[in-house]
Amino acid sequence: KQEVTQIPAALSVPEGENLVLNCSFTDSAIYNLQWFRQDPGKGLTSLLLIQSSQREQTSGRLNASLDKSSGRSTLYIAASQPGDSATYLCAEETSGSRLTFGEGTQLTVNP
Amino acid sequence: EPEVTQTPSHQVTQMGQEVILRCVPISNHLYFYWYRQILGQKVEFLVSFYNNEISEKSEIFDDQFSVERPDGSNFTLKIRSTKLEDSAMYFCASRERDRGLYSNQPQHFGDGTRLSIL
Repeated sequence: KQEVTQIPAALSVPEGENLVLNCSFTDSAIYNLQWFRQDPGKGLTSLLLIQSSQREQTSGRLNASLDKSSGRSTLYIAASQPGDSATYLCAEETSGSRLTFGEGTQLTVNP
Repeated sequence: EPEVTQTPSHQVTQMGQEVILRCVPISNHLYFYWYRQILGQKVEFLVSFYNNEISEKSEIFDDQFSVERPDGSNFTLKIRSTKLEDSAMYFCASRERDRGLYSNQPQHFGDGTRLSIL
């Protein structure tokens, strides 16, 4: 059974700091790894998708990496802003259909 | 930017009643999904749907659940006889097809329907 774990569960940083969120997955037969942002009471906003053949993807201040051999992905956020405050979820796709989600990291960026 | 639309945003239903949750996926997307998130827990996969049939379902998706694409735009989740433990946020997602048999496009989620069973 696939398991996805995210560390830390919560993170509080001052504005402007660079930060890294971690995601571990157990199933090496991964198709894609997708990172989402979830604001309170809202849906999931897709941030980045990394295919199994890729090592990283970048979008603006976000950079996500994928290491299949170690079963890890990281989301790097540069120059954090208060508007980045949200819960960040990673999800592994293995069967070609379902996403298996981690518990999320709740990020607070303090002005 | 195109988005997945879900209605209603909040549904309150008596235990044992049937409920239908509605979704309008992004118009050129061909893969459709339902997920749920019980308060304080992980987002869980329920079912995926492609080419007018279920392509995969989880152990949660038992005989009480069904999905339908009644027309070219809507995608629905029906829970036949609701239980207290069905209370959750239900998310619909859709994804675009790639050129190959399998899509590497991201899944796009709606804002969800909060289902409260009394």
